[in-house]
Order: sequence, then C-alpha cells, then structure tokens
Amino acid sequence: AQRVTQPEKLLSVFKGAPVELKCNYSYSGSPELFWYVQYSRQRLQLLLRHISRESIKGFTADLNKGETSFHLKKPFAQEEDSAMYYCAVSGGSYIPTFGRGTSLIVHP
Amino acid sequence: GAGVSQSPSNKVTEKGKDVELRCDPISGHTALYWYRQSLGQGLEFLIYFQGNSAPDKSGLPSDRFSAERTGGSVSTLTIQRTQQEDSAVYLCASSLASNRERQTQYFGPGTRLLVL
Repeated sequence: AQRVTQPEKLLSVFKGAPVELKCNYSYSGSPELFWYVQYSRQRLQLLLRHISRESIKGFTADLNKGETSFHLKKPFAQEEDSAMYYCAVSGGSYIPTFGRGTSLIVHP
Repeated sequence: GAGVSQSPSNKVTEKGKDVELRCDPISGHTALYWYRQSLGQGLEFLIYFQGNSAPDKSGLPSDRFSAERTGGSVSTLTIQRTQQEDSAVYLCASSLASNRERQTQYFGPGTRLLVL
C-alpha cells in the first residue's frame, strides 16, 4: 500500500526565510510524486511533480529514494506562498494517495 | 478551456436526507476521482472512474455512498440518509488518463456539505 506522511500540520516562517515542507512516502516500486497547493478561496492545483523536474514559483522538490522523501523547498519565502500544501504519491494503482497537508503561513 | 465544475457549491441538509453532488470534468478527460476533504484529515479518496472500466469503489466509507458516471463524462455522487459526520468538502478531479505520465489531476472547486 502507498502512504504519504506530512509531519507538520503548520509551518510558520517570515518573509525571505527558507522554507522546507516535509513529505515522506512509502511505496515499494517506483512512485510518481506530486505537490499540490490550495491558496485561500481557490481550488486545489498542481504545483509540481517529480517527473517534470521543474521549478515552479521558486519551489523545487527532489526525490530521495534512500530516505523515501520528496520535500518541497524554497530558498526565500514570499507572503503569497501562504497556502495549504499537499504531497501525493501514485504507484501502480494510479489512484494518488494524499498526505494530510501542511499549512504554510508566511509572515511579513 | 473550462475547468472541472461542481454543483452545488454549498449544500445544507438535515440528517437523514439524501443528497446528490454533481461533477463536470474537463472534456476529454477519461479519469475522474471523488475525494472528501475534512479539516485536518487531508484528502480521502472515495471513488475512481476510468473510461468504461468498472469503477474503483474501494474508498467509499459506507454503502450509503454511491456514484455513477454517465456517458463517460458527468458524475454524480449520492449520499443516502446523511449523517453529521458526512459534513465535509467533496472534491472532484479529472485527469487526461490514468497512466502515470498523464496523471496530473485537475480539481473542481468542491461542494461544501453541511449536515445538520
């Protein structure tokens, strides 16, 4: 079975500080990993996915197979980054499993 | 183009009543998912449709929940004899296909259900 753990319910940082949202997964095969974001009063949307290897809005995420992690990072947080972030893993079942989410608050 | 739409956006009902929630996926998307989003619980998978295949109902929490997808497009999630614990935001998502490379999901705005 595939599982996703986001250990932090809430992450609070100041503008300009680095931010790292943690995501650990369990899946025995080669998973596909995603980060989705939900800004206030907006719908849930894809931020980035492992297969694309992109940097979106300054965020990056590296798959660490040894640690089974896919942490989301940004060197300098902005106030507009405040949102709910969900990590998701998809394996052979093609039904992504989502973590419980981390609420990121970036203070001015 | 138009994104995933859901209706109603809000629904207040009394305990014991039945409710129907509707999802219109993006045209051409063969995969459709329903999730339940509760405070502090993340996204709970409910049911998955892929093309004309039999749906994966493994996430439905009880037999009061059912869903159908007509003509490979619009989907309706029905909750019978609603209970207060059914109160949540119900999200629908669609994707181009289920194979991994196309699996990016596009979400609707959700239906906020409140059972009194």
